[in-house]
Amino acid sequence: DTAVSQTPKYLVTQMGNDKSIKCEQNLGHDTMYWYKQDSKKFLKIMFSYNNKELIINETVPNRFSPKSPDKAHLNLHINSLELGDSAVYFCASSLGPEETQYFGPGTRLLVL
Amino acid sequence: DAKTTQPPSMDCAEGRAANLPCNHSTISGNEYVYWYRQIHSQGPQYIIHGLKNNETNEMASLIITEDRKSSTLILPHATLRDTAVYYCIVRVFYNNNDMRFGAGTRLTVKP
Repeated sequence: DTAVSQTPKYLVTQMGNDKSIKCEQNLGHDTMYWYKQDSKKFLKIMFSYNNKELIINETVPNRFSPKSPDKAHLNLHINSLELGDSAVYFCASSLGPEETQYFGPGTRLLVL
Repeated sequence: DAKTTQPPSMDCAEGRAANLPCNHSTISGNEYVYWYRQIHSQGPQYIIHGLKNNETNEMASLIITEDRKSSTLILPHATLRDTAVYYCIVRVFYNNNDMRFGAGTRLTVKP
């Protein structure tokens, strides 16, 4: 009974392609997040959604767009992929914006 | 959020207590201290958090100095499965969803 799941686990694609990463949580949490972990292992927050409303948006390129069909899902769409987008992307969720965050297993994206 | 400083790596013998330090000298009064860990190829895992009092749960203990400028995470009986990178984070508890992870401490538990 996975709490926060992501698909796919690995994603290899060509520059210029458009791809999506899916995230689902079965914890009943109201807030979900996307993080990017670069090659130096720093985790940087990209987006978060609370009750289907975007509440923070770091200075990420507008090629990245989060989409939340319901509060259990927060998908990440990436248009026109670039080499620098290669990283591990983590989804997380929390009961509310101030609560402890629980992370998914990560999606390893490699852009060739 | 306040900046944190952690040693890049530490070793610990299996069965012994692992004490991981963190300096956060610029912490402000409304910032909490959080600890997460990341085992290789997995997502970050929440361990514990606190404001000023020492905290204990089933995973670890958190000792925060009286001036709150530093803290120590204690794993009382380290096992090989505790080998991971441990992140100390300070953040405002309310109205702030940002959690900036630094470089962390790579703890290696040895048999």
